[in-house]
Amino acid sequence: QVQLQESGPGLVKPSQTLSLTCTVSGGSISSDDYYWSWIRQPPGKGLEWIGYIYYSGSTYYNPSLESRVTISVGTSKNQFSLRLSSVTAADTAVYFCARRKGYSSSWFDPWGQGTLVTISS
Amino acid sequence: QSALTQPRSVSGSPGQSVTISCTGTSSDVGGYNYVSWYQQHPGKAPKLMVYDVSKRPSGVPDRFSGSKSGNTASLTISGLQAEDEADYYCCSYAGSYTLEVFGGGTKLTVL
Repeated sequence: QVQLQESGPGLVKPSQTLSLTCTVSGGSISSDDYYWSWIRQPPGKGLEWIGYIYYSGSTYYNPSLESRVTISVGTSKNQFSLRLSSVTAADTAVYFCARRKGYSSSWFDPWGQGTLVTISS
Repeated sequence: QSALTQPRSVSGSPGQSVTISCTGTSSDVGGYNYVSWYQQHPGKAPKLMVYDVSKRPSGVPDRFSGSKSGNTASLTISGLQAEDEADYYCCSYAGSYTLEVFGGGTKLTVL
């Protein structure tokens, strides 16, 4: 079955850019039936949708984060990536990648295990 | 502040039923039949429990059921079991600008 795995630095300095990669296994990221998503969860708080990308490169972002977010896809490596610029302590969170069903349905499944990113000098 | 409103906590005894509400607006929950529910145990990734308001993925017990009335969606868990103790989040599609909104989460305690 499809599995997702996040990777990237666990510590980022304020004002710098957070960069994470999600590797998809057990299925192709080039499927036309899914979007590939990033969702985050600050410690002790709820989930926040960041954005998703279609294999063609079309992107969709949370309006509250859009000015700082870039999601890209690397179909040859079956990966997609997140970049979040000008980070502050408020961006400290567990970052999850997930597959999102598209067209006539809507759900996130499966999810990666998540990776904690701490913003601190 | 989360876009969808959930109770902070609910509780029930083993064997009982509990219902978790998720209130939005006509722009999200009320406007689309695209509400999903996720179960999250501490330190784990969320797990899809219900999608498209009332559909269950394979492998999810039929003790979990979803419904919607107007701008409020609900997740009902019947025959509570100890392993149901977790945080539950709702999510709704919210149109072509906002796209996706989550609820603030509800902590379910099995007494």
